[in-house]
Amino acid sequence: GNSVTQMEGPVTLSEEAFLTINCTYTATGYPSLFWYVQYPGEGLQLLLKATKADDKGSNKGFEATYRKETTSFHLEKGSVQVSDSAVYFCALLNNAGNMLTFGGGTRLMVKP
Amino acid sequence: GAVVSQHPSRVICKSGTSVKIECRSLDFQATTMFWYRQFPKKSLMLMATSNEGSKATYEQGVEKDKFLINHASLTLSTLTVTSAHPEDSSFYICSASRRDRGFTEAFFGQGTRLTVV
Repeated sequence: GNSVTQMEGPVTLSEEAFLTINCTYTATGYPSLFWYVQYPGEGLQLLLKATKADDKGSNKGFEATYRKETTSFHLEKGSVQVSDSAVYFCALLNNAGNMLTFGGGTRLMVKP
Repeated sequence: GAVVSQHPSRVICKSGTSVKIECRSLDFQATTMFWYRQFPKKSLMLMATSNEGSKATYEQGVEKDKFLINHASLTLSTLTVTSAHPEDSSFYICSASRRDRGFTEAFFGQGTRLTVV
């Protein structure tokens, strides 16, 4: 079946540091890939998405590129802020839209 | 973007009572709806997947009689926690998927924090 693996946290960075959170997947067909963010005490918010190979999703300074050859969708940000502290989930939705698979989540803590 | 509304956002109930949580896709018809449970500082645990008009598919270890899922229409799914106990206290999140223009997207509700006392 489908699976998503993302790096375990917590990831602790200083403000303005470069961020990478790795995410790799296994799936059949052509899934859509997502990054969701969860701030403390809240639900999940869609951060960015990519629906086909080589697509780059971007939002709020975050980027991730759908790499089919390496089955990866790594999340990057050039300069993190304290307000980026949250848990980030990588997810995969199959083409039929009836199977949504999450990675384990990565907690990011940004210190001033 | 598409909106999924989950209600209530917080609920406190007495042990032994039942609680219903609603999940609505406000501006699209959902292909599939998913129910997740999240324990503190943990990832999301898929409880069940449901399609409109058919029975939900439960994940292994999830009690069907305790967590009743009804998917009455393409825009509404409900989760009822029956005879709730303190160990059912958790954060419950619903999601709805939409297939449009050849690809699929998933949207999440705001989550419901259930506390059973």
